[in-house]
Amino acid sequence: DQQVKQNSPSLSVQEGRISILNCDYTNSMFDYFLWYKKYPAEGPTFLISISSIKDKNEDGRFTVFLNKSAKHLSLHIVPSQPGDSAVYFCAASASGSSNTGKLIFGQGTTLQVKP
Amino acid sequence: EAQVTQNPRYLITVTGKKLTVTCSQNMNHEYMSWYRQDPGLGLRQIYYSMNVEVTDKGDVPEGYKVSRKEKRNFPLILESPSPNQTSLYFCASSLRAPYNEQFFGPGTRLTVL
Repeated sequence: DQQVKQNSPSLSVQEGRISILNCDYTNSMFDYFLWYKKYPAEGPTFLISISSIKDKNEDGRFTVFLNKSAKHLSLHIVPSQPGDSAVYFCAASASGSSNTGKLIFGQGTTLQVKP
Repeated sequence: EAQVTQNPRYLITVTGKKLTVTCSQNMNHEYMSWYRQDPGLGLRQIYYSMNVEVTDKGDVPEGYKVSRKEKRNFPLILESPSPNQTSLYFCASSLRAPYNEQFFGPGTRLTVL
């Protein structure tokens, strides 16, 4: 039972345009959501996060939107740059549950930004 | 330099031969966790530790053991490895909890023949 799903395995966009990566979840107990970026042969690195008390969080070119009623979040990258080409994972955590240490990841979306 | 280190980076072994993958962090983080990455499955959590002597199962703990005797170290033990444990393993740490920014190690590529 996949509690966090990234339904698009890959996405290709032109440099300078917007990249939108999507993530859906099923567990209503999730109250923190994070995005990680991963380059080949490296460990993932933290990108941006959002708590369920917010519906938007912005950090430079990266914005995460949370729609709790739809159990959906998205990561917007504007403008996209070739260096953004990587695998992006969304992850969710339920801080108030008995499994407070658990973090559930999606399958990942490979973003390719073409020059 | 703040970092998470893992050793070995690459390991090829045979079924049933016990092995340990070490993980160490120098950031005084309370929370540490192990993940495995497999094609099409993303990252799946194996075990986590909220603090010294406190460990708990993630989503795929079968066939693995961990210990947290000191704050900085969180080794992953495979008592009797099997081919389905062939994977890319990552250790990570964060200040206090999984919803804090986690710092990941470089990964350990394990092949079990």
